[in-house]
Amino acid sequence: DAGVTQSPTHLIKTRGQQVTLRCSPKSGHDTVSWYQQALGQGPQFIFQYYEEEERQRGNFPDRFSGHQFPNYSSELNVNALLLGDSALYLCASSPRTRVVVGTEAFFGQGTRLTVV
Amino acid sequence: GENVEQHPSTLSVQEGDSAVIKCTYSDSASNYFPWYKQELGKRPQLIIDIRSNVGEKKDQRIAVTLNKTAKHFSLHITETQPEDSAVYFCAASQPNAGNMLTFGGGTRLMVKP
Repeated sequence: DAGVTQSPTHLIKTRGQQVTLRCSPKSGHDTVSWYQQALGQGPQFIFQYYEEEERQRGNFPDRFSGHQFPNYSSELNVNALLLGDSALYLCASSPRTRVVVGTEAFFGQGTRLTVV
Repeated sequence: GENVEQHPSTLSVQEGDSAVIKCTYSDSASNYFPWYKQELGKRPQLIIDIRSNVGEKKDQRIAVTLNKTAKHFSLHITETQPEDSAVYFCAASQPNAGNMLTFGGGTRLMVKP
């Protein structure tokens, strides 16, 4: 089992550009969440996808959007990049059937995004 | 929304000593409290979790305690080893919130040999 896989591992973008990050959940998981982790801070919840729809959203602007595909993989898109968007972006997957009572979220290695 | 505070931000202990990290949360509806360990350049990994119907949970050298009345929970690591050195994050989630986790700011634990 490959666990949660994310691509790319590192990315450098210029202010104003757009970026797409990708995530494949752990086998058997159908719910994908995205987190932003700034240097030296805890991860902050961006949004969560289940059944190809956004189900929960944290306090992030509309520049952050996502998508989930029928195979449960997911994309995070960020438009009009700002310097402050530089961070580690983590994807976490969980099995939906247990999500309502709280269960382990399995994290990927993350994508390190640097905006210059 | 939920707010989780974590203390201390850094903790240095001698190998073999115990380490305690404390977290407080604001939303009394929160019912799931995981702890994650993140080594440098690696993914956060769950080390222990506790649900609100339990006051304490132990797994070998690691234990977590929960005080629902005071809205705080703590991680206890006994007989620390150099490989315990990492950043530890506490988190909380609410029922029917789709496992949306609110994390604390993290504690950098350094275990000196």
